[in-house]
Amino acid sequence: QKEVEQNSGPLSVPEGAIASLNCTYSDRGSQSFFWYRQYSGKSPELIMFIYSNGDKEDGRFTAQLNKASQYVSLLIRDSQPSDSATYLCAQRDTGNQFYFGTGTSLTVIP
Amino acid sequence: NAGVTQTPKFQVLKTGQSMTLQCAQDMNHNSMYWYRQDPGMGLRLIYYSASEGTTDKGEVPNGYNVSRLNKREFSLRLESAAPSQTSVYFCASRRDREKAGANVLTFGAGSRLTVL
Repeated sequence: QKEVEQNSGPLSVPEGAIASLNCTYSDRGSQSFFWYRQYSGKSPELIMFIYSNGDKEDGRFTAQLNKASQYVSLLIRDSQPSDSATYLCAQRDTGNQFYFGTGTSLTVIP
Repeated sequence: NAGVTQTPKFQVLKTGQSMTLQCAQDMNHNSMYWYRQDPGMGLRLIYYSASEGTTDKGEVPNGYNVSRLNKREFSLRLESAAPSQTSVYFCASRRDREKAGANVLTFGAGSRLTVL
């Protein structure tokens, strides 16, 4: 069973702070990792993907991957109230199946 | 360009009734997926189709059947609905890119199903 684990939260941060979301995975064969954002009652939307060890930055978002530790994280800088949502971590295995964590609920307090 | 379209958006069924959830994508993607999302359980894969004419079981296939009618359409059928199938169902398709890491999923808006 391929597992993706996230702290369900809720995580609360003040506006302008850095939000740090973490995810661990069990399948060492997984090739790619994804962060999706899901607003209440809506479908998941892609924020970032990463497949190489290290950091990947896109605007206020930074994804970090450590394959040796089987750990992936998402940092959100200068957090805004509009960032309040559930963040889903996912891995893609060699068979192109995607496995999702249960999500971390983030609230940014104005 | 509508992306991934799911119908219906809402449905209420009685135990034992059957129904089909429809999904269509206009992005020329080869792969399509059906997930269910339950509180505290995250997204769980029901079935997956890598191409027209092929389907594979995911984590939770029991009680469901699928049909990949053509490249655009992938339907999910509940033959005899049970209260345990009350959930939000998401269809997704996958962009096939030469750079493997860019094979991202695009989701439809979801179908909320209640089985009484």
